[in-house]
Amino acid sequence: DTEVTQTPKHLVMGMTNKKSLKCEQHMGHRAMYWYKQKAKKPPELMFVYSYEKLSINESVPSRFSPECPNSSLLNLHLHALQPEDSALYLCASSQADTNYGYTFGSGTRLTVV
Amino acid sequence: DQQVKQNSPSLSVQEGRISILNCDYTNSMFDYFLWYKKYPAEGPTFLISISSIKDKNEDGRFTVFLNKSAKHLSLHIVPSQPGDSAVYFCAASPLFSGGYNKLIFGAGTRLAVHP
Repeated sequence: DTEVTQTPKHLVMGMTNKKSLKCEQHMGHRAMYWYKQKAKKPPELMFVYSYEKLSINESVPSRFSPECPNSSLLNLHLHALQPEDSALYLCASSQADTNYGYTFGSGTRLTVV
Repeated sequence: DQQVKQNSPSLSVQEGRISILNCDYTNSMFDYFLWYKKYPAEGPTFLISISSIKDKNEDGRFTVFLNKSAKHLSLHIVPSQPGDSAVYFCAASPLFSGGYNKLIFGAGTRLAVHP
């Protein structure tokens, strides 16, 4: 299995809703990442987990809450989002002991109404 | 402040010709550089990479050149094919210290290869 699977592919949520994005990989990668990408902009790093521990939080607002319950799963919990949080949310994973690139999921297209 | 810049938002090339995509960076601590390709409604897929100790890496039709003194890298695709039409992202990573990579991405260049 050489894939990173993200669910759902599309999500529309109201500003008072609570929802979660899910990411799963079975490549044995011990580093996992959340990126946010807006139209015509580069992907921007949000969070990094290494060996299931949060290693980087790029000053992301607390309405985004990451969770890494085990080495294969990464969640992003969403609460009280704003319309400007509408974006493509990309999950990625990589080996933790070599300097190789990421494997990305296909992303979740989030719309906040 | 963008540390990785792709100054051409789009490029149009005829099938069979060479495509050259450019990328500039500002951080001299970057140690590893990658190119990703992205089709609509898909995540980016890894294409080719180069370490800062090299100046060229080749993989089939794809070659990446690195000029450290100019802080510039380029991706050459020869010959270009219609299936190469996609958005290409340049990415850079500082010296790896274990645990994870922190990739910084450019804004992307949309390549269109026409018959």
